[in-house]
Amino acid sequence: DQQVKQNSPSLSVQEGRISILNCDYTNSMFDYFLWYKKYPAEGPTFLISISSIKDKNEDGRFTVFLNKSAKHLSLHIVPSQPGDSAVYFCAALRSNDYKLSFGAGTTVTVRA
Amino acid sequence: DAGVIQSPRHEVTEMGQEVTLRCKPISGHNSLFWYRQTMMRGLELLIYFNNNVPIDDSGMPEDRFSAKMPNASFSTLKIQPSEPRDSAVYFCASTAKRGRGYTDTQYFGPGTRLTVL
Repeated sequence: DQQVKQNSPSLSVQEGRISILNCDYTNSMFDYFLWYKKYPAEGPTFLISISSIKDKNEDGRFTVFLNKSAKHLSLHIVPSQPGDSAVYFCAALRSNDYKLSFGAGTTVTVRA
Repeated sequence: DAGVIQSPRHEVTEMGQEVTLRCKPISGHNSLFWYRQTMMRGLELLIYFNNNVPIDDSGMPEDRFSAKMPNASFSTLKIQPSEPRDSAVYFCASTAKRGRGYTDTQYFGPGTRLTVL
């Protein structure tokens, strides 16, 4: 049972524009959310996280927004750069737990 | 820091053979995870160790899979006998579990791409 869903398998965006990646979750017990970025032939790399006590967390060009009532989070990348072309995974867990639930991933392609 | 190290990076074997995947976690990390990534099921947790002790192996698909962590700096995932449906990318991840009140980011290795013919 997929508790974390990324319904868009791919996203193409022009360099300099905003990339918006979406993620939905079903388990209301999740209270910590992460985004991982993965390049081909490499492991997922931690990008940014957010606790459920916040609705926004920003780190440079990356901002994650959390809407708990909708069980939805999104990752904004502004401005998008060619090096951002990768697969992005949304993940969730209960704080103090260890079991990460991953979404299926969204492949982002940034066009020059 | 070298990060999480996995070997081999690629493994091609024939059905029925034993396969051993290796992982060296980040120094100082006391939690280690084995994941498997497939097209059908995405990233799924196979087993979790804390302080070298297996805590949760509910994700291990069958008795053909076994994992060990003899010390804090080394873990193995073994498949015996291997089958074509075991073909996947296997990731090892580690974290420094700080206990209650903290949520610990997992750091992944580069993965081992296993192909069972």
